[in-house]
Parts: sequence; structure tokens; C-alpha cells
Amino acid sequence: DIQMTQSPSSLSASVGDRVTMTCRASQSISSQINWYQQKPGKAPNLLIYSTFSLHSGVPSRFRGSGSGTEYTLTISSLQPEDCATYYCQQSFSTPLTFGGGTKVEIK
Amino acid sequence: QVQLLQSGAELKMPGASVKVSCKASGYSLTGYYLHWVRQAPGQGLEWMGWINPDSGYTNYAQKFQGRVTMTRDTAANTGYMELSRLTSDDTAIYYCARDSSTFCDYWGQGTLVTVSS
Repeated sequence: DIQMTQSPSSLSASVGDRVTMTCRASQSISSQINWYQQKPGKAPNLLIYSTFSLHSGVPSRFRGSGSGTEYTLTISSLQPEDCATYYCQQSFSTPLTFGGGTKVEIK
Repeated sequence: QVQLLQSGAELKMPGASVKVSCKASGYSLTGYYLHWVRQAPGQGLEWMGWINPDSGYTNYAQKFQGRVTMTRDTAANTGYMELSRLTSDDTAIYYCARDSSTFCDYWGQGTLVTVSS
């Protein structure tokens, strides 16, 4: 199984800050990584798929990058509504696996 | 618009089975694979498997092999996930999610399954 290691597990930043979180795969996943946002009590929402592609309706402040085994989700200017937990997920092979999540809080 | 509507919360005894439904609207169930993902209280997301609703073919995570069964009723545009021999470790929110070619673009609202005596 491909292990997805996400870091940091939590972070606190101010509104307007640039925020970055990383996902490292245990083997190359050929850019087959997706990012989801989950707010408390809600189902996950797709943000970015296949490393770079922004899902319909997602604000352009969210950006994905990376290759091989290392991938990054960046929020260019943190907004109050971005308080949530973010999960990466590899879709290169089954079983599909998720990172442990990064909880983003506002200072 | 695309929606996945799941069945309501369940309380089950240890050793019992649970069957969760996921009714699709706004699209044909047979056009997209359907995943099932669970989330234990305060924990992360765990993939359980997928079903091709067109053929009925399934792919289960090894952890759940022998305990999980994913089916569909194409006439009802509904998918199902049944988990047997429940233990307290199966207490979780269970989600269905539509696969749109390597990513899950629509998710159900979740079904809380509580296993307790």
C-alpha cells in the first residue's frame, strides 16, 4: 500500500498569510494526487485533482504543485472560511490512501 | 444538480451487520464508479472500496475483504454498502462518493454508524 505522510498535522496563521502544507508518498504516484477540504460535521469537498487542477468553484487562492513523491497545497492568502482540515489522497493505485490531514486554524 | 443522499444513522449491536444506502440524483449511477470511505470519530479518512455500478464489479480494500459487500440497484439509482460482523472499531461516519476519473467530485452527507451494546 502507498503511505501518504502529510505535514504539518496542524498550523495556525493569520488572515492574509500564505499557507503551505505537504504530502509525501512512499513511492512515486505520477501526479495522481487530490486534495480535499473538510469542515467540522461536513463531508469532504474536492479542491484540487491530479496535482494542479482546480475543481469547479474553488477559489484561485488554492494551488497545488509537486511531482514524484512530494506534493504541496498552498493557500496564497488565508481567509476565515479556510478554517478546516485538509487531506491529500493518492489515486495512483488501490487501495486509495489518504494523508492524516492538516488542520488549519486562524490566529 | 448532482446529489448523493445517504440513509440515516444506525445503532447496531456488536456482531450485527449494517447496510447503508446512497441514492444518486442529477446523474445516472451507472455512469460513474462509486466509492465508500469511512471516518472514525476524530480520525482521518479511510477508503473501503469501490463499485462499478454498470457492471457490478467491485474492488475492496484488503482490510475489509470478507466483511464488506457493495451492491447497486440501477433501477433505483442507488448504491449500497453492507458491513458485517461489526465491532466497536467500526463506529464511524460512512460516506459514499462519486468517482470522476481518479478523484471524488461529489460526496454523500455521511451516515453515522454506532456499534455499541
